[in-house]
Amino acid sequence: QITLKESGPTLVKPTQTLTLTCTFSGFSLSTSGVGVGWIRQPPGKALEWLALIYWDDDKRYSPSLKSRLTITKDTSKNQVVLTMTNMDPVDTATYYCAQSIAALDYWGQGTLVTVSS
Amino acid sequence: EIVMTQSPATLSVSPGERATLSCRASQSVSSNLAWYQQKPGQAPRLLIYGASTRATGIPARFSGSGSGTEFTLTISSLQSEDFAVYYCQQYNNWPLWTFGQGTKVEIK
Repeated sequence: QITLKESGPTLVKPTQTLTLTCTFSGFSLSTSGVGVGWIRQPPGKALEWLALIYWDDDKRYSPSLKSRLTITKDTSKNQVVLTMTNMDPVDTATYYCAQSIAALDYWGQGTLVTVSS
Repeated sequence: EIVMTQSPATLSVSPGERATLSCRASQSVSSNLAWYQQKPGQAPRLLIYGASTRATGIPARFSGSGSGTEFTLTISSLQSEDFAVYYCQQYNNWPLWTFGQGTKVEIK
């Protein structure tokens, strides 16, 4: 059974750095072809893809956010970490992580992050 | 950036009827197109990948078609649990995977 779960702060202040952790089970990020990505969804709005890391440490970022994002993996802990710098109220959203093989195959439940002073 | 445009924004359908959702890409994405279902308060769920392949456990009433720039998701006979928002997503062009704005399927 494949599961993913996001964890991190629910509230951050403007200009702070957000660090989110995706802890997964049921698959390995050392298996060829496997990736883990991050997607966000502002309240009442559509999905926005942020970043993805592959089994071989290949990393991809949304061009509009690339300067603010860093994605890393810890294969031994079955975790993927996303950091986003210089948070702004417009970054308020539910943040999801998802396993990627065919597309975005399995998703975590999401974590709501609010940016407010 | 490839822009994904879904239509209609809202689709009102009676249970048991057929629903047809459209997704158009601003340039070709080959068959690298996925569909997701999202219910209120839940994470999206993968329905279709490769434009027409159902994901594991997805009922046969869901089908996808198309290639290039025009895609369709068809739900052959709507069940009560199918009322949700549906998103298409292209994964053909790096460095940006893009989603459509969603189609809400509501009870008529």
